[in-house]
Amino acid sequence: SAVISQKPSRDICQRGTSLTIQCQVDSQVTMMFWYRQQPGQSLTLIATANQGSEATYESGFVIDKFPISRPNLTFSTLTVSNMSPEDSSIYLCSVGAQIYNEQFFGPGTRLTVL
Amino acid sequence: QKEVEQNSGPLSVPEGAIASLNCTYSDRGSQSFFWYRQYSGKSPELIMFIYSNGDKEDGRFTAQLNKASQYVSLLIRDSQPSDSATYLCAGGDGGSQGNLIFGKGTKLSVKP
Repeated sequence: SAVISQKPSRDICQRGTSLTIQCQVDSQVTMMFWYRQQPGQSLTLIATANQGSEATYESGFVIDKFPISRPNLTFSTLTVSNMSPEDSSIYLCSVGAQIYNEQFFGPGTRLTVL
Repeated sequence: QKEVEQNSGPLSVPEGAIASLNCTYSDRGSQSFFWYRQYSGKSPELIMFIYSNGDKEDGRFTAQLNKASQYVSLLIRDSQPSDSATYLCAGGDGGSQGNLIFGKGTKLSVKP
């Protein structure tokens, strides 16, 4: 499976600021996804990052709050904008395999908003 | 609303026993199902996937799928303390983008 890295691994941010999280894959992949995992909870899909077009957002998530870039087949960014303490969470990127739709996850970014 | 449901546990088993983790799903369009293991503070790790009715075995792990009952399970034989983790069940949503729908996870504790 692909090797996936995320930066930063963790951050503590002030309310009202923005943080951009990077996801890098060591091979070209078609499908990349961004998830949020709040403390003690399961994974919630934020959006699918599409190369060459706008991301596809899930219900409850909007581009103004979570802008996503996907400039090529190995890289994506997620920005958490105008942060509030409710945005404190782990943010995970994943890549999809095309045969059975299995996904592989990066190590995650632990975000704390004060 | 497409859903995947799991018993949150915790499920506690003694070392060497069989751990049985269960999952049901609502979307009959789901074709593939996945079990992820997540240690505390770590990201989910794919351990098994299954797409055909019946059993699929990989080492100490057996995944079982019953599409008629919309039921997926994971059996862990000879459970070890290192198997203690949260196990997430996920189903493909049947769409073209390959989205997965995750259950809330079952916390497994294997006691020495």
